[in-house]
Order: sequence, then C-alpha cells, then structure tokens
Amino acid sequence: RKEVEQDPGPFNVPEGATVAFNCTYSNSASQSFFWYRQDCRKEPKLLMSVYSSGNEDGRFTAQLNRASQYISLLIRDSKLSDSATYLCVVILRDSNYQLIWGAGTKLIIKP
Amino acid sequence: SQTIHQWPATLVQPVGSPLSLECTVEGTSNPNLYWYRQAAGRGLQLLFYSVGIGQISSEVPQNLSASRPQDRQFILSSKKLLLSDSGFYLCAWTMYSGSEAFFGQGTRLTVV
Repeated sequence: RKEVEQDPGPFNVPEGATVAFNCTYSNSASQSFFWYRQDCRKEPKLLMSVYSSGNEDGRFTAQLNRASQYISLLIRDSKLSDSATYLCVVILRDSNYQLIWGAGTKLIIKP
Repeated sequence: SQTIHQWPATLVQPVGSPLSLECTVEGTSNPNLYWYRQAAGRGLQLLFYSVGIGQISSEVPQNLSASRPQDRQFILSSKKLLLSDSGFYLCAWTMYSGSEAFFGQGTRLTVV
C-alpha cells in the first residue's frame, strides 16, 4: 500500500459545481498536511495547509480526519480556472520529516 | 521574502552528455533543499535532499548526484545522461523540517 494515496481522476465537473477529493495516508506519525495545485507543465504551488480543526480559504475547505487517516479538499462554486492537478503531501514526524507526496488528482472543470 | 530560482527552464541534451542544474534560494538561511523528478502524468519522485552544506541524502540509486557547495545553493549533476533521465526536474526548499515546501519553476529535460 502506498504511503499517500489519491484517486488519480480525472474528475470532470461542470462549472459551478462542488467537488471534493480525499487523500489517505498510512503512517500514523504523520504530522503536517498540505494541499498543492499543479498546472500543466508547471511547478506545484501551495494551495493551503490542513489543520486539525479544518480550515477554509474562500471557496476552498480543507479537513483532516486523524482517526480515519485522510485529508480532504472541498471546492465550492468551481471555476474553469480551478482545472489543475491537486497534490496532497504528508510530512512525517519521524523519518527526518520527509515530505510524502500523493500522485495527484486531476480536475477538469467544464463550461 | 523568500524566493527560489532554478535554471534553465528547458534543456535538450544528447545521451552521454553531462548535466548540471542549479537552484538557489534567497531570503532565508539554512533551508532544507530537495531535488525531485516528475515523469509525464506521474507524481513527484524524491531524488536528493539536504539539511545543510555538504549534507546530501540520496533516495534512489542512479547516475545522478547532488551537491550543496553553499548554504542556499543546490546542484544536480550527471556525468553521462541516459534517455531515461528525461523528465521534469524540480528544486524545492522548506524553512525547517515539517514546514511546507516551495518549488522552483522546474527544468524540463529531454535527453535525445
């Protein structure tokens, strides 16, 4: 089993819809969690951190479920510009704080 | 503010030629530095990371090497490129162990 798993998609979603992705992790020593966005042929860019209490940034909401070992990203009122690949990353407290990356979920917003 | 520079953006190299990709970070000191490779449509593969000058950890055995000659400089090298070395190479830094990563613009390497 991979340490961090994501549904590769693609998720084809109409503009204006709400879409949610999950990212599961296997190591209970995972300490920090983040969501990144990667546009085609570009570098990943930090989208948001994921806090235990959950956090919201505009149309984006990130949540952490430690008991079930997954994080989620919810995008409301999706825009065409939201089309991208969304990567989750988990940082392990042990193993020298390695960043463990998911392979990404591709999202395509259609007009 | 902190910035990361990586160059060149694109590179076409013949098989057997050497490689040198450079990455520098500005606006911070003693960052953790990383080199990743990403194949088309795939996830990030960690190649090397460094927590300080001269300290390099290698994650995958291959014909690539990395060096950190200065605190904010990270170099990826190869003596002889293989076709399989083609890919998107990304340099990244974190402020401290456990913090979020920030990436350079990446280098798209094509070995022909």
